Amino acid sequence: DTAVSQTPKYLVTQMGNDKSIKCEQNLGHDTMYWYKQDSKKFLKIMFSYNNKELIINETVPNRFSPKSPDKAHLNLHINSLELGDSAVYFCASSQDLRQTQYFGPGTRLLVL
Amino acid sequence: KNEVEQSPQNLTAQEGEFITINCSYSVGISALHWLQQHPGGGIVSLFMLSSGKKKHGRLIATINIQEKHSSLHITASHPRDSAVYICAVLFMDSNYQLIWGAGTKLIIKP
Repeated sequence: DTAVSQTPKYLVTQMGNDKSIKCEQNLGHDTMYWYKQDSKKFLKIMFSYNNKELIINETVPNRFSPKSPDKAHLNLHINSLELGDSAVYFCASSQDLRQTQYFGPGTRLLVL
Repeated sequence: KNEVEQSPQNLTAQEGEFITINCSYSVGISALHWLQQHPGGGIVSLFMLSSGKKKHGRLIATINIQEKHSSLHITASHPRDSAVYICAVLFMDSNYQLIWGAGTKLIIKP
C-alpha cells in the first residue's frame, strides 16, 4: 500500500540512451513533483504538475520531459542521457502546493 | 532573486540536547516546508507552515513572517534524529517557485 511509488528503484544505463522513470501516487492528490538530488545532496525541483497541468518548470535541459497521463501518475522521460544526469530522482505528491508533500523512495540513476 | 538559507550547515550534539536549525528567506512566501532525509535516503515531510507554530512529538517548528525566518527545534534529541533537515519555501507571485535550502546535517551522539 505504498503511497508514492517509483519504478525502477535503480537504473544503470549507457550515455546516449533514452530512459523513463515512472511515478504513481494512490493518495488522491492533485499535485505531483519531480526532484533531482545530485552527488552533493542538493535537492532541486524540476517539475510540478497540478491536475495534469504543468505549474512549475525549472530550468532543466529539454532532454527531460515530464508526462502526466492522469493525476495519479507523473512519468519522467530522459532523452540522450549524459554522465551529469547521474543522480537520485525523487517523485512526490501533495494535495496542493501549500500542503505536505509525500515522497517516493527515489530512483538511483547511474549513467556510464 | 528569491533565496533560502539554512544554518548551521552541520551540527553535532550529544543525546538529550535541545537542537535548533534555522531557515531564512529573502521575500514574502506562501508556505514553508520542513523535511527530514534519513541516512538511507528516504525523505519525510515534517511540517508545512504559513504562520505561527506547529508541534509534533519532540519536534517544534516556528515561523516569523515579519522577520522572514523559521526554526525547527528538537527537544530531548536522540541518535535516531540524526539526519539531514531541509527547509523549502513556496513563493507564489506571478508564478510558482519552490526553493530548497541546502540542508543541515545533524548528528546526535549517544
